[in-house]
Amino acid sequence: QVQLQESGPGLVKPSETLSLTCTVPGGSINNYYWNWIRQPPGKGLEWIGYTHYSGNNKYNPSLTSRVTLSVDTSKNQVSLRLTSVTAADAAVYYCARWSIAWRAFDTWGQGTMVIVSS
Amino acid sequence: DIVLTQSPGTLSLSPGERATLSCRASQSVDSSSLTWYQHKPGQAPRLLMFGASSRANAIPDRFSGSGSGTDFTLTISRLEPEDFAVYFCQQYHKSLLLTFGGGTKVEI
Repeated sequence: QVQLQESGPGLVKPSETLSLTCTVPGGSINNYYWNWIRQPPGKGLEWIGYTHYSGNNKYNPSLTSRVTLSVDTSKNQVSLRLTSVTAADAAVYYCARWSIAWRAFDTWGQGTMVIVSS
Repeated sequence: DIVLTQSPGTLSLSPGERATLSCRASQSVDSSSLTWYQHKPGQAPRLLMFGASSRANAIPDRFSGSGSGTDFTLTISRLEPEDFAVYFCQQYHKSLLLTFGGGTKVEI
């Protein structure tokens, strides 16, 4: 069972940039679409977007002006960069692997909590 | 966007009882793109059912999914202690936003 691990600063100041990474064990990073999903406290899950090593990315229209996702195959990592954060960006951030065959996220990380505060 | 509404918000049951969870979509969803997950605190969400009714790897057969169009159901035939968790549905449409339901908490 693949275990994904998100990491990054737990505290970000308003207006600054949030950067998170997701480490993907093994050599399968090229074979999948990698997604980021978040859940603000007390709210539902929100899909942020996906990235593929080929550069094929798609973002939630509500975040597309601020978000960049990328794959670093040399490090087996997937990255999220979200600029100009506000309190509304405080959430648990998950990375998840998309199964094209199943049209589902077949593997998730445990998530990492991000607080936005000065 | 397709809005998924799950009910009830919380389901209070005892081990051995049957749990019936609903996921209703604001417009018709292709059954092949309706998914259920289980999420326990501090753990990674776990894929339960894909294609509305197909169990993922290692999911016990007490879990079953059904439905079509706008109404989908996840049933746990006999609750085991490890089944107490939050369950959420998710839909995928290639031209619309991927969305999740708000979740149903199954508690003792």
